Amino acid sequence: DAMVIQNPRYQVTQFGKPVTLSCSQTLNHNVMYWYQQKSSQAPKLLFHYYDKDFNNEADTPDNFQSRRPNTSFCFLDIRSPGLGDAAMYLCATTLFGTDTQYFGPGTRLTVL
Amino acid sequence: GIQVEQSPPDLILQEGANSTLRCNFSDSVNNLQWFHQNPWGQLINLFYIPSGTKQNGRLSATTVATERYSLLYISSSQTTDSGVYFCAVESYNQGGKLIFGQGTELSVKP
Repeated sequence: DAMVIQNPRYQVTQFGKPVTLSCSQTLNHNVMYWYQQKSSQAPKLLFHYYDKDFNNEADTPDNFQSRRPNTSFCFLDIRSPGLGDAAMYLCATTLFGTDTQYFGPGTRLTVL
Repeated sequence: GIQVEQSPPDLILQEGANSTLRCNFSDSVNNLQWFHQNPWGQLINLFYIPSGTKQNGRLSATTVATERYSLLYISSSQTTDSGVYFCAVESYNQGGKLIFGQGTELSVKP
């Protein structure tokens, strides 16, 4: 089935050690999003790609970067994770103009 | 920016009961979605409903855009309905950016 896939589902990293989370989609959607969700909070948008056009939210820390090498894949890089970056990271996609966003299962990041 | 408020914040139901969840938003929207987040963190799209009424099995939703609110109805609740329900909206010219409410945490007891 067409879907949004995130790997890994659980990631443990050490304070300050770079980490990369990945998202892939078989929906051929042109827009991909990364959200951060901390415990008992709502998801918060970090950035999104419309095709290769990168759009960063104003309050997204510089510590967070993203890459989209092709339509199907998108990566979230955290250059120097801090304890406050422990969260669930959610990837979502949409086909521009249809407005429905489809979410992957998320990657739960633990920072030791 | 647009504000999204959901009520109630928490809800405990006995299996088989009905419930209504509410979402208020502070500005006109061109996108409103209801999501269910299961205990494993997966966000499942329930409805795309910027206006009107939709039904899917035991779930239905109504959005009254002119009055800036949306309702999610759950009938004959089951334990698998437990989790957090989020309303998310996009105001005009926001390029697909969804703003989420704080969610309603539903617990259905057997």
